[in-house]
Amino acid sequence: DTGVSQDPRHKITKRGQNVTFRCDPISEHNRLYWYRQTLGQGPEFLTYFQNEAQLEKSRLLSDRFSAERPKGSFSTLEIQRTEQGDSAMYLCASGTPYNSPLHFGNGTRLTVT
Amino acid sequence: AQTVTQSQPEMSVQEAETVTLSCTYDTSESDYYLFWYKQPPSRQMILVIRQEAYKQQNATENRFSVNFQKAAKSFSLKISDSQLGDAAMYFCASRGGSNYKLTFGKGTLLTVNP
Repeated sequence: DTGVSQDPRHKITKRGQNVTFRCDPISEHNRLYWYRQTLGQGPEFLTYFQNEAQLEKSRLLSDRFSAERPKGSFSTLEIQRTEQGDSAMYLCASGTPYNSPLHFGNGTRLTVT
Repeated sequence: AQTVTQSQPEMSVQEAETVTLSCTYDTSESDYYLFWYKQPPSRQMILVIRQEAYKQQNATENRFSVNFQKAAKSFSLKISDSQLGDAAMYFCASRGGSNYKLTFGKGTLLTVNP
């Protein structure tokens, strides 16, 4: 069990650029979540996958955001035309479908300049 | 819909002392779960303790215990014999029984003084 892995740890980008983050969940976990955390706030739910199916999307996930989990393993979160308000920590978590807690990665900190 | 409220943005405790972090929640579901997560400066969120709402007995994990008051919708975390490594941001979270999504509070920053 190597834990949930996220890449990159930090990303600095200029406004208007596209960015993509990757999450590798714990191998036997079929549920995968993306959360966003801004300074001084708790994590806010963005989206959730069960295997390769995206089952729920938050209203926070504007049309500039897209997430995929093509083979039910790793997931990517893409933000197009980044805005300064997108600056945040993006957290990935994984779990099993049973009554078990989520395991979180270290997050990707995005800074939009 | 679920909401989680942590009214203490910051708390401090002396090493070896006991501290209690407060959390209140609201939910329309009859079946739900409550959690405390710890986020140290290294950023990885770690589960501290969890409570199933249908269980009357308060959960305990070593030095960590909860006071679950279902009628009052209160879920506080008690840390006994505080250690320097307990210093972190603590988040209270809830999840409905039929929903896999966690809802978090804003967190409480705990400082442990030597």
